[in-house]
Amino acid sequence: AQKVTQAQTEISVVEKEDVTLDCVYETRDTTYYLFWYKQPPSGELVFLIRRNSFDEQNEISGRYSWNFQKSTSSFNFTITASQVVDSAVYFCALSVSGNTPLVFGKGTRLSVIA
Amino acid sequence: EAQVTQNPRYLITVTGKKLTVTCSQNMNHEYMSWYRQDPGLGLRQIYYSMNVEVTDKGDVPEGYKVSRKEKRNFPLILESPSPNQTSLYFCASSSFGPNQPQHFGDGTRLSIL
Repeated sequence: AQKVTQAQTEISVVEKEDVTLDCVYETRDTTYYLFWYKQPPSGELVFLIRRNSFDEQNEISGRYSWNFQKSTSSFNFTITASQVVDSAVYFCALSVSGNTPLVFGKGTRLSVIA
Repeated sequence: EAQVTQNPRYLITVTGKKLTVTCSQNMNHEYMSWYRQDPGLGLRQIYYSMNVEVTDKGDVPEGYKVSRKEKRNFPLILESPSPNQTSLYFCASSSFGPNQPQHFGDGTRLSIL
């Protein structure tokens, strides 16, 4: 069975600090996909990134970066120079090939204080 | 505008009174799914559908029904709601399956008294 663990329930940082959100996954499949979603205080869920198991290249998008390491089964998300607008709940998710449900972690609530 | 539309957004009802939450997408997506979000538990999948007339149980299907008679619609039915189904519900869709980015509706907050 698949599992996603986000050990950090809540994180609080001061604006302009860098922050890393951890995501550890478990699967026996060799083909799988990892995702990050953002849920701001308004409640909607916003897709941020998808990464497949064959692409370990790290990705950077503006202040956001993602570090995928198969050796440690981790897909961590770093926000550089955090801003108040980054305050949200962030979910990591895992899907595998075939007809199986998408599995989400329990989420990390990030509060960025001005 | 590409979107997933859920209705109602909020509902307060009583135990045992059948209710339906509608979900519609205008992106011609094949895959649709329902999730519930509870504090401390994250998002858990209730049901999903790979295409018209094809539905499957997710992780927490008990007490729910779905149907997929048309590609664009995927209603969630609570035949006899109970207080433990009080939750925030999200419908989502994607092109071909769970391996694609999901487009989520705005959510439906259900309170069952």
